[in-house]
Amino acid sequence: QVQLVQSGGVLVKPGESLRLSCVISGFPLSGDFMSWIRQTPGKGLEWISYISESGDRIWYADSVKGRFTISKDNGKNSLYLQMNSLRAEDTAMYYCARPAFSSIDYWGQGTLVTVSS
Amino acid sequence: DVVMTQSPLSLPVTLGQPASISCTSSQSLVHSDGNTYLSWFQQRPGQSPRRLIQRVSNRDSGVPDRFSGSGSGTDFTLRISRVEAEDVGVYYCFQGTHWPALSFGGGTKVEIK
Repeated sequence: QVQLVQSGGVLVKPGESLRLSCVISGFPLSGDFMSWIRQTPGKGLEWISYISESGDRIWYADSVKGRFTISKDNGKNSLYLQMNSLRAEDTAMYYCARPAFSSIDYWGQGTLVTVSS
Repeated sequence: DVVMTQSPLSLPVTLGQPASISCTSSQSLVHSDGNTYLSWFQQRPGQSPRRLIQRVSNRDSGVPDRFSGSGSGTDFTLRISRVEAEDVGVYYCFQGTHWPALSFGGGTKVEIK
């Protein structure tokens, strides 16, 4: 049974950093692309980053490029999103998800990140 | 980047009646491999999105057959033949054709009248 279990929600101040984690079970991380998607009331669902099976292909949306870093640890079957220089507009529910065959078949339960002073 | 536009924004429906949601893309979603990577997702209140349909019209396992998808090129439709109470939520279309910037529609909220 496939499960993507994310770390808990958190409140941080503008300018601070945070690392999100997503522990995967049911398939090996070494064999699949993985992605991060965020959801805000204002902008809806936004595809913000992905990483290839081997980790040699990584992409970021312009909204997070230069501030966020996606990574994974195949040995721990875990996906991460390092978020630096956080802004109020980064407040969102963040989902890890598996893109497969140009769709998305599995989602984590979400992590609520609130950036506020 | 490809912009996905959904309508309507909100869809009040009577139980047992049909519902239809439209999704239009700013570019054709036909991939060079011949497939059209348009998916539909349902998000119930307080839950993560769940895929209903992939590649325009292919229902996922466990999805009731009252859900159907159609369309081609830039225009797509999700239909619910007879709305049930459990169908309340927000529905999103998603394009997986134009990598790397994949994109979602803005969502359509289905509610019971």
